[in-house]
Amino acid sequence: EPEVTQTPSHQVTQMGQEVILRCVPISNHLYFYWYRQILGQKVEFLVSFYNNEISEKSEIFDDQFSVERPDGSNFTLKIRSTKLEDSAMYFCASRSQGPGDTQYFGPGTRLTVL
Amino acid sequence: AQSVTQLDSQVPVFEEAPVELRCNYSSSVSVYLFWYVQYPNQGLQLLLKYLSGSTLVKGINGFEAEFNKSQTSFHLRKPSVHISDTAEYFCAVIRTGGGNKLTFGTGTQLKVEL
Repeated sequence: EPEVTQTPSHQVTQMGQEVILRCVPISNHLYFYWYRQILGQKVEFLVSFYNNEISEKSEIFDDQFSVERPDGSNFTLKIRSTKLEDSAMYFCASRSQGPGDTQYFGPGTRLTVL
Repeated sequence: AQSVTQLDSQVPVFEEAPVELRCNYSSSVSVYLFWYVQYPNQGLQLLLKYLSGSTLVKGINGFEAEFNKSQTSFHLRKPSVHISDTAEYFCAVIRTGGGNKLTFGTGTQLKVEL
């Protein structure tokens, strides 16, 4: 069964450094997402991406964040200058068509900012 | 905006006993409803979803959920749990019309004991 993959599984960085989290969505999917889960808290929406542009973003997704689909397969989340509070598990997800279609989640990247 | 409430943060249960995980939602527009499971150190996996039709939906691993529109609930049930069901369970909603992002509840930790 097709799956969403993410790399790396764990990223440790110093505060103020830039990080790029990578995702390979399911190949025929059209909608791509980033969510995050701070330890012990609920999963929160960050951003959605469709037709090569951001379709929706949350208040969390400020100017420090950006997303890109540099080629036909990868989908990346960049944090320009990491803060301690960016430490979280970041999940990539993709879905095929409409809202009723399942969003398939990757295994996540645990980001630790020191 | 939508919100999801999972009333129980933790549910301990003995193996082979039945279990119900509660989920209530609030929305001014119609929504689709989902239950996801997160096993330790893994991503989110879809258990089941309600889109329309029969209010009782069956999912993987013997789980089922019932949509109750009047009570705005979507409780998850399993008649007999197994040790391997120990995981975190998340209820989520998405707007039916043009919905993009999933809104998650805070999760319920199901702990199955011998």
